[in-house]
Amino acid sequence: DQQVKQNSPSLSVQEGRISILNCDYTNSMFDYFLWYKKYPAEGPTFLISISSIKDKNEDGRFTVFLNKSAKHLSLHIVPSQPGDSAVYFCAKTSYDKVIFGPGTSLSVIP
Amino acid sequence: NAGVMQNPRHLVRRRGQEARLRCSPMKGHSHVYWYRQLPEEGLKFMVYLQKENIIDESGMPKERFSAEFPKEGPSILRIQQVVRGDSAAYFCASSPDLTGIGQYFGPGTRLTVT
Repeated sequence: DQQVKQNSPSLSVQEGRISILNCDYTNSMFDYFLWYKKYPAEGPTFLISISSIKDKNEDGRFTVFLNKSAKHLSLHIVPSQPGDSAVYFCAKTSYDKVIFGPGTSLSVIP
Repeated sequence: NAGVMQNPRHLVRRRGQEARLRCSPMKGHSHVYWYRQLPEEGLKFMVYLQKENIIDESGMPKERFSAEFPKEGPSILRIQQVVRGDSAAYFCASSPDLTGIGQYFGPGTRLTVT
């Protein structure tokens, strides 16, 4: 029962370009959607969230878009930097547990 | 303000042994969550605890796994009679109140069952 899907296991982007990470979900009865970033041998770090009543949230170089009719969200990183190379997890939550997708490994090439 | 601490960072157990994973939440946080990440998968919720109470254990395997968060000391995730399929990274998160968007994660414990 994969409630959060990230169909691209990996993505490579040139430094300075835009990175677009995609995520689809099946059950929309959640209040928030989240993006986490994870480096090897570390725990996930919260990046950005979006309420289910909004369609866009922006924080510096990071913007998350939510398309409720398509049950799809995306994370845009612009401009991409080598330090952004990590695994990105899409997730959703209501009030306690966080449900994670399988992750997309982003490589930003200098 | 130290972050969430987990120990040990790496744990090797033979099949049939017990594994004890510890999690010290951030100062001021009274809510603890445990997640498991199997190879090539995302993190899966296991259990949510407050001090001395298990609130939601819907993600815990029915047998061999238990968790506690005593009044004093760290939260403990205990796996009895480990099997190879228990090999995974176990992450703990904490928050100051009940929330899904304010959880801070520890670095994880990587359990290897030989």
